[in-house]
Amino acid sequence: EPEVTQTPSHQVTQMGQEVILRCVPISNHLYFYWYRQILGQKVEFLVSFYNNEISEKSEIFDDQFSVERPDGSNFTLKIRSTKLEDSAMYFCASSEEGISNQPQHFGDGTRLSIL
Amino acid sequence: AQTVTQSQPEMSVQEAETVTLSCTYDTSESDYYLFWYKQPPSRQMILVIRQEAYKQQNATENRFSVNFQKAAKSFSLKISDSQLGDAAMYFCAYISNFGNEKLTFGTGTRLTIIP
Repeated sequence: EPEVTQTPSHQVTQMGQEVILRCVPISNHLYFYWYRQILGQKVEFLVSFYNNEISEKSEIFDDQFSVERPDGSNFTLKIRSTKLEDSAMYFCASSEEGISNQPQHFGDGTRLSIL
Repeated sequence: AQTVTQSQPEMSVQEAETVTLSCTYDTSESDYYLFWYKQPPSRQMILVIRQEAYKQQNATENRFSVNFQKAAKSFSLKISDSQLGDAAMYFCAYISNFGNEKLTFGTGTRLTIIP
C-alpha cells in the first residue's frame, strides 16, 4: 500500500539555525498537510497546501515557517530560525482530494530536537 | 472553534477482551466527519475508522466499531477481541465539511494490551 514517507526520522539542530523537513506524499494525492505534536500534547494542524499554494494555515504557522513543493514529488517544511519551542514531532499528511471525507494519510513523522 | 476531548490518557485491556475508548467534541456545525487514528510505537498514524455526522448508523470495521451519539457529541471507539497488535496511542479527530481542511485532534489515549 502506498505510504507517505518523511525524512529524516530525527533531526537535531542548534537554536537559530534553519531546518528543512522533507516529505514524499502518496503519488496521486493532491492535498498536503503538516501537523506537529509537542511531546505529551495533542497533534496540531500547521498548514494545508494545494495547487502550489497554501490553502489554510494555523496561528502557529508564522513567518518563520514556509512550505514548498520544489518538484513533482517532495513537499517540504522549512523553519527559518529555529527556537527551543519548535522541538516536536512533525507529521506530513496527504489526501487524494481536499474534501473532508477523504482521509488524510500520515507519514512516520520527523522528530525535531532544538538545542 | 472545534475542540476534541479524550478524557482517558491511558487504558488497558486483557487480550481477547473488549475495550471502549471515549471521545467527546464540541462544534456548532451540523455536517462533519469524525475519525479514530491509531499510532503504534512505529509512529505512523493509521486511520482506523471514520463516521459521517449525517449518517445515523454507527461505522464498523472488523473488530472496531463506534458509538456515535450526535446529540451528546460523543464518539467512542469499541475494540472487540483485543489483540497484542492493538497496543497503540489512539487519537480521535474531527473535520468540518464546510471547506475547512484541518483535522482537530484529541490528546490521545494510550492503550495497553495485557497478554
